[in-house]
Amino acid sequence: AQTVTQSQPEMSVQEAETVTLSCTYDTSESDYYLFWYKQPPSRQMILVIRQEAYKQQNATENRFSVNFQKAAKSFSLKISDSQLGDAAMYFCAYRTSYDKVIFGPGTSLSVIP
Amino acid sequence: DVKVTQSSRYLVKRTGEKVFLECVQDMDHENMFWYRQDPGLGLRLIYFSYDVKMKEKGDIPEGYSVSREKKERFSLILESASTNQTSMYLCASSTGTGVHEQYFGPGTRLTVT
Repeated sequence: AQTVTQSQPEMSVQEAETVTLSCTYDTSESDYYLFWYKQPPSRQMILVIRQEAYKQQNATENRFSVNFQKAAKSFSLKISDSQLGDAAMYFCAYRTSYDKVIFGPGTSLSVIP
Repeated sequence: DVKVTQSSRYLVKRTGEKVFLECVQDMDHENMFWYRQDPGLGLRLIYFSYDVKMKEKGDIPEGYSVSREKKERFSLILESASTNQTSMYLCASSTGTGVHEQYFGPGTRLTVT
């Protein structure tokens, strides 16, 4: 069965600095999608970034980028120039071939002014 | 913009009551999902649906049932609410093709006393 692990329950970063959130997953599939979702306090969960496993190039969305290491089954999220609005719960997620999405336990990110 | 709405943001029910949680999406998505979110556990899939009148069990279906009579609406039913069903419930939808990123509702925080 596929699993998603986020080993950092909580992290903090100084405003304007860079932070990396870790995610590892376990699967026997070769083709899949990976996602990072953001859930701000008391607000709706939104997609931050996605990565197709067949693409070698790491996905980038403005200040957000990923380091996708397929062989190591690692999918970390880097947030550059951190802003106060980045404070949120971040979930790493894996989509199976059966359209189910498996979420990690989440990392709570605090941004220090 | 995709919009996923849930019938209540906060709900308080008594043990043994039958509880209905409603979710509506306005983007003609084929797939709809119900999750519960608990601290340290991330999101766990309760049920999902690929199409009208179709449903599939997720990872924790016990004590829950669902109904999808119309494409845009997916209901979660707690047949006899128990205190261990106190949680945040999130609804999501996605297309049936392509990346299948999920769009989430705002969540319903259910307390069973």
